[in-house]
Amino acid sequence: SQKIEQNSEALNIQEGKTATLTCNYTNYSPAYLQWYRQDPGRGPVFLLLIRENEKEKRKERLKVTFDTTLKQSLFHITASQPADSATYLCALNAYSGAGSYQLTFGKGTKLSVIP
Amino acid sequence: NAGVTQTPKFRILKIGQSMTLQCAQDMNHNYMYWYRQDPGMGLKLIYYSVGAGITDKGEVPNGYNVSRSTTEDFPLRLELAAPSQTSVYFCASSYSTGKNEQFFGPGTRLTVL
Repeated sequence: SQKIEQNSEALNIQEGKTATLTCNYTNYSPAYLQWYRQDPGRGPVFLLLIRENEKEKRKERLKVTFDTTLKQSLFHITASQPADSATYLCALNAYSGAGSYQLTFGKGTKLSVIP
Repeated sequence: NAGVTQTPKFRILKIGQSMTLQCAQDMNHNYMYWYRQDPGMGLKLIYYSVGAGITDKGEVPNGYNVSRSTTEDFPLRLELAAPSQTSVYFCASSYSTGKNEQFFGPGTRLTVL
């Protein structure tokens, strides 16, 4: 069966360090992979999208890698700040037929950046 | 631009009652979605729509109905509410499918007692 796993439910890191979050998947052939940020009581907010033929994507302090051989994506936040504390969701966009893609979400990793 | 709006923010229902969760977007997006999110679980797709008049089931459609009469609005109907429908419901929209990001509303927290 299809599965998306985000490595841990919670991750605590010290301010200024690099946070690395992992997203592994099985039995998917995603065309795209997206990362979202979700704050308590709010809807998810899109951060980055990476295509299956791209190895790496960057946006300011954020970096995403996508390894279709390992079936894994890594999400990095460099020089982390307490304001980066949130839940981060990995989402796979796989073709579902009739010209449509369906986005399937992982359970998320709750990141806490400690001052 | 208000983006994606949802009403109400909170609602408590009794078992067997019905209600409609409202969702509207002002970005002229063709695609709209309804998800539910249970504690510690990922977002699960309930229904989606690729345009006015076209809807389709997602992963967990049982107990819900949708309609899409306009591009802007995508209401979700709960008939005969059950405790298993206690959840946070998110509406989202996107310009297209595939490579486009989804924009989410603030959510509706529903409790069925």
